[in-house]
Amino acid sequence: DAKTTQPPSMDCAEGRAANLPCNHSTISGNEYVYWYRQIHSQGPQYIIHGLKNNETNEMASLIITEDRKSSTLILPHATLRDTAVYYCIVRVRDSSYKLIFGSGTRLLVRP
Amino acid sequence: DTAVSQTPKYLVTQMGNDKSIKCEQNLGHDTMYWYKQDSKKFLKIMFSYNNKELIINETVPNRFSPKSPDKAHLNLHINSLELGDSAVYFCASSQQPGGLGETQYFGPGTRLLVL
Repeated sequence: DAKTTQPPSMDCAEGRAANLPCNHSTISGNEYVYWYRQIHSQGPQYIIHGLKNNETNEMASLIITEDRKSSTLILPHATLRDTAVYYCIVRVRDSSYKLIFGSGTRLLVRP
Repeated sequence: DTAVSQTPKYLVTQMGNDKSIKCEQNLGHDTMYWYKQDSKKFLKIMFSYNNKELIINETVPNRFSPKSPDKAHLNLHINSLELGDSAVYFCASSQQPGGLGETQYFGPGTRLLVL
């Protein structure tokens, strides 16, 4: 079972920041937070991951609370192409490398 | 060039038939996966191979048999297809689990419809 809770849907205006929340209150010390997204009819795409510290890459920023029980994915300037289902995943960094997907958040970017 | 490719893209077949889906990755990765996404859009892992060895085998019927002829290929063979097998099947690959390559790269999916 997925260990994360996300709102089923959100929307934002094109050009504005999209902030997608995720709760993972039962996260353990050795578990990472991963974000993937799935644009309609395509395979999931990796976005970013982190353990404790905030992370940023060319796609997004990941803000993890100090107690690590929740996180927020930030798309700084959302475009129409960012419309997708966003999955927040908690996984143990072990040899199985198993991703357990939840139901995700469907983000709609409005023109 | 496509990093992870799957064939066929669409597969329509009758109940009881046997079919195979092929996956190839040109990323030099050691690990490959099969996921199933059902009609409710839940994405679940089925199998994983690392260097041609099975490392993940979720609760999947015996009718599903993965085969990895080499580390660049992971095929999925399905015997005696059932209506409930209708889904989108995604192949993915990553570098060795636990190593520096944390990202899984997914293929475009194979849409299987069993009639």
